[in-house]
Amino acid sequence: GENVEQHPSTLSVQEGDSAVIKCTYSDSASNYFPWYKQELGKGPQLIIDIRSNVGEKKDQRIAVTLNKTAKHFSLHITETQPEDSAVYFCAASTDGAGGTSYGKLTFGQGTILTVHP
Amino acid sequence: GAVVSQHPSWVICKSGTSVKIECRSLDFQATTMFWYRQFPKQSLMLMATSNEGSKATYEQGVEKDKFLINHASLTLSTLTVTSAHPEDSSFYICSAREDGTRYYNEQFFGPGTRLTVL
Repeated sequence: GENVEQHPSTLSVQEGDSAVIKCTYSDSASNYFPWYKQELGKGPQLIIDIRSNVGEKKDQRIAVTLNKTAKHFSLHITETQPEDSAVYFCAASTDGAGGTSYGKLTFGQGTILTVHP
Repeated sequence: GAVVSQHPSWVICKSGTSVKIECRSLDFQATTMFWYRQFPKQSLMLMATSNEGSKATYEQGVEKDKFLINHASLTLSTLTVTSAHPEDSSFYICSAREDGTRYYNEQFFGPGTRLTVL
């Protein structure tokens, strides 16, 4: 099955700095890569996602890049703010491929991001 | 946007009792629902996948007789933890997906249910 590795496990930055979180995946069939933000005691919220037919996607301060050849994808947050502090999870799945694994998300281990004012 | 609710948000029960957790999609048809378990400071682990009207598919190592899942309608799935024990204490999260539609198969997550078994 799919295996997703996420680094770093913790990340501390000053407000206004950029933050980068990296993930690698093992299954070359994976084609959907979402990123989630989880605040304490809450469910994950999708912040951005990317599909395998594009290499980069940006939404205001958040961007995701995908390197299919190397099987890794990264989350970039620019101009970080204290409210960005949370746990971030990457995930991978085979979307639309059919079969029993269709749409199952495999999560990375998570990154605790702390943005200091 | 697509909203998923869970009830209750937290529950405390005695060892040996059963607990039912509800997951509802509020404004879309949840063709597929997923149940996850998350221990403190850990990632989400998929427990099972269910399609409306079908039996759930459990992940390896998850006891289907202990974690009963019923996806009876396109807006409701329930997870029943039977004969709960302290080691079942965890954060249970559901997600729902409306297959093949405007949401491009995105999963929408509920707010989670904190279960504590005494």
